[in-house]
Amino acid sequence: DGGITQSPKYLFRKEGQNVTLSCEQNLNHDAMYWYRQDPGQGLRLIYYSQIVNDFQKGDIAEGYSVSREKKESFPLTVTSAQKNPTAFYLCASSMQSQETQYFGPGTRLLVL
Amino acid sequence: DAKTTQPTSMDCAEGRAANLPCNHSTISGNEYVYWYRQIHSQGPQYIIHGLKNNETNEMASLIITEDRKSSTLILPHATLRDTAVYYCIVRVLNTGGFKTIFGAGTRLFVKA
Repeated sequence: DGGITQSPKYLFRKEGQNVTLSCEQNLNHDAMYWYRQDPGQGLRLIYYSQIVNDFQKGDIAEGYSVSREKKESFPLTVTSAQKNPTAFYLCASSMQSQETQYFGPGTRLLVL
Repeated sequence: DAKTTQPTSMDCAEGRAANLPCNHSTISGNEYVYWYRQIHSQGPQYIIHGLKNNETNEMASLIITEDRKSSTLILPHATLRDTAVYYCIVRVLNTGGFKTIFGAGTRLFVKA
């Protein structure tokens, strides 16, 4: 089946630890995105990538890093510099940057 | 950036039409109106989009006013599974690439 997958569904992080969230798509989409969602809030853009080996900061990039070495993969690392990482993280992809976005099921990150 | 205004929540009886309004009074001529919905703890799902003509698909209808300053998403026969947060979005293109602004959305409760 074609789609976008995220893993794990739940992730626990200790204070001062970096963690990486996986996002994979087999839709042959060029553009990929990471959003953060806090309870009762909308989505805020962390990073996006319009093409392989290129990515741009969104509104809340501080404390996060990404890579785009392959078209189908766009992992997000939550670093220790992110002081309030507990949130629901959503990955999305689209054919081009202005096309409809398709979202993954999300990863819920909790800090212990 | 064009922003959208939506009611915080709405109720609808099962089997009746759900009409979800959205104001986007600062929309530019080349910006599309998109609707997504998010069922609890899942990724958002694309519903429909339009520029200035009314649009219909298997999920919903989108009515855009002639001045394009507001729109209405219509779910013709709401079911309990339509209970979700509905996001009205105006697509924005900035000099740094692409940005989508997700507000808090409208929480639709479909009641039996």
